[in-house]
Amino acid sequence: GNSVTQMEGPVTLSEEAFLTINCTYTATGYPSLFWYVQYPGEGLQLLLKATKADDKGSNKGFEATYRKETTSFHLEKGSVQVSDSAVYFCALSDLDDYKLSFGAGTTVTVRA
Amino acid sequence: NAGVMQNPRHLVRRRGQEARLRCSPMKGHSHVYWYRQLPEEGLKFMVYLQKENIIDESGMPKERFSAEFPKEGPSILRIQQVVRGDSAAYFCASSLLAGGLGSYNEQFFGPGTRLTVL
Repeated sequence: GNSVTQMEGPVTLSEEAFLTINCTYTATGYPSLFWYVQYPGEGLQLLLKATKADDKGSNKGFEATYRKETTSFHLEKGSVQVSDSAVYFCALSDLDDYKLSFGAGTTVTVRA
Repeated sequence: NAGVMQNPRHLVRRRGQEARLRCSPMKGHSHVYWYRQLPEEGLKFMVYLQKENIIDESGMPKERFSAEFPKEGPSILRIQQVVRGDSAAYFCASSLLAGGLGSYNEQFFGPGTRLTVL
């Protein structure tokens, strides 16, 4: 079956630091990959996605590249802000499936 | 433009009681999905519903759990005779188009209901 493993948190950073959250996956087919973000008190929001190998998803300064050879989809941001404090979830779905499989989430706190 | 609404946000029940979790999808969305997040784990798919129909309940425990999405009103996830192992965060998502048709259709998530069973 499908599964997602992501870096354990919590992660605490200072403003303008570089952020990386590792995500690796196991899938039976050729999945689409996603990063979701959950800000305090809100629902999960789609941050970015990639649907095929070597695709790079990007949004709000975050990037992640679909690496089929290493089955990874690591999230990066070059300079974080306090407003990036949130829980980040890596997820995947098979192409023909609506079911999302999520990692456990990584809590990121950015200090001023 | 309200997003997906869930209530209550926090629910405390004693063992043996019933829990009812409500989800109002985004306006115009007729596809609803429920996910459960147990402590220290990722969200896991439970059930997919359209109006008045359960499409896929493959992730739902066979006993004590049920879900509905009536023609009018919110979707309800019902847990009968709760046990401590039911303590979790329950997330609802909705989408405009049907999933599983060869293309991804974005699911919009609510803030979740945190169920605590004493």
